[in-house]
Amino acid sequence: DAGVTQSPTHLIKTRGQQVTLRCSPISGHKSVSWYQQVLGQGPQFIFQYYEKEERGRGNFPDRFSARQFPNYSSELNVNALLLGDSALYLCASSAPGQGLYGYTFGSGTRLTVV
Amino acid sequence: AQSVAQPEDQVNVAEGNPLTVKCTYSVSGNPYLFWYVQYPNRGLQFLLKYITGDNLVKGSYGFEAEFNKSQTSFHLKKPSALVSDSALYFCAAGGSSNTGKLIFGQGTTLQVKP
Repeated sequence: DAGVTQSPTHLIKTRGQQVTLRCSPISGHKSVSWYQQVLGQGPQFIFQYYEKEERGRGNFPDRFSARQFPNYSSELNVNALLLGDSALYLCASSAPGQGLYGYTFGSGTRLTVV
Repeated sequence: AQSVAQPEDQVNVAEGNPLTVKCTYSVSGNPYLFWYVQYPNRGLQFLLKYITGDNLVKGSYGFEAEFNKSQTSFHLKKPSALVSDSALYFCAAGGSSNTGKLIFGQGTTLQVKP
């Protein structure tokens, strides 16, 4: 079984640009959550989606948005990039009924904003 | 406000010695507590969790953690450290509602020297 897959693994963007990060959950997992991990800090919760609906949102500006598709994959979009958006973006999925108990994280997308 | 604290930025131990990585939490209701490990340029790997039951939780790779409700602590332990245990360790807490939100500590770097 494939784990949580994220793409791309690395990317470099310029301030003001927009970026889309992708996440494919483990087969059978219907919940996807996104986290931002700035260098030297712990991950910070951005969003959770379950069955294509937003179930939770962290303290992030409206420049951050996400969606979940019928196949349960997810995209995280960040508009008007700032230098401070440079971070490792982690996706986690869990199976129905497991919630936090069954989180599996992907390896992340390293975003560098220059 | 809910929070997780890891008071030590770095813990140094000699190979073969016992190790402890400290974590305290402030979460409303009954907490769900987790330990994750992160190797360089990788995502988070699950080590163990406390949901309910025995205060001593055993996890992967010989790690265990002790839940102490009165001290609101969840320290990670291992009887005999290995050089390969050197990594970044995160403590995390979730509340009782299934919003998919984990609150992470800032992380503790474990350095095991031969």
